[in-house]
Amino acid sequence: AQSVTQLDSQVPVFEEAPVELRCNYSSSVSVYLFWYVQYPNQGLQLLLKYLSGSTLVKGINGFEAEFNKSQTSFHLRKPSVHISDTAEYFCAVQPRGGKLIFGQGTELSVKP
Amino acid sequence: GAVVSQHPSWVICKSGTSVKIECRSLDFQATTMFWYRQFPKQSLMLMATSNEGSKATYEQGVEKDKFLINHASLTLSTLTVTSAHPEDSSFYICSASGQTSTDTQYFGPGTRLTVL
Repeated sequence: AQSVTQLDSQVPVFEEAPVELRCNYSSSVSVYLFWYVQYPNQGLQLLLKYLSGSTLVKGINGFEAEFNKSQTSFHLRKPSVHISDTAEYFCAVQPRGGKLIFGQGTELSVKP
Repeated sequence: GAVVSQHPSWVICKSGTSVKIECRSLDFQATTMFWYRQFPKQSLMLMATSNEGSKATYEQGVEKDKFLINHASLTLSTLTVTSAHPEDSSFYICSASGQTSTDTQYFGPGTRLTVL
C-alpha cells in the first residue's frame, strides 16, 4: 500500500520569501509523484509531476520539486512567493496503473 | 490542452431529490474518469473509477446505488446523487485521464452540492 504525508498543514510566509512544502511518501513499488494546487472553491490544477529521469522537476508558476528516492521525499519549492500563491497544495503519488493517493494538503498563506 | 469541465458549478436541492453532475473532457479522449468527494479543509476522497462503456468501480464504503455513475462516451461521465440528504452536501470533483498508465489525471473545477 502507498501513503503520503504532508508534514505541514499550514505554512505562513511573507511575500517574496522562499518557501518549501514538504512531502514524504511510502511505497513498496515505483510510483509517479505529483503536486497539485487548489484555489478556494476550485478544482485541482497540476503544478508538476515526476515520472522518471531528472530528479529536479520544474513546474508552472515558478515552482519546482526534487525527487529524493533515498529519503522518499518530493518537496515543493519556490524561491520567491507572491500573494497569488496563497492556496491549498496537495502532494500525490500514483503507483503504475494504480490510483492517485493524496496527502492531507498544506495551506500556504502568503502575507504582504 | 487537457481541459476538464463540470456542470453545474454549484447546486442547491431539497432533501429526497436527485442531482446529476456532468464531467466532460473538452480536448482529449478520456478512457478513465474519476469521481472524488472533498469535505471542507480535507483532502480528496476517491469515490469511484469509471471506464468508458463499462460499469464503475466503487471504493469501499461508497454506496453504488446512491451515487450512480455513467461513462457513456470518451468525453462525458455523469454522477447522479439519488435521494440526496444533507449529509451528501459536499464538493464533488471529477478528473479524467487518457489511455496509458502514465497519463496524468486532469481535474474539473468541482461542483458544490448543498442539500437542504
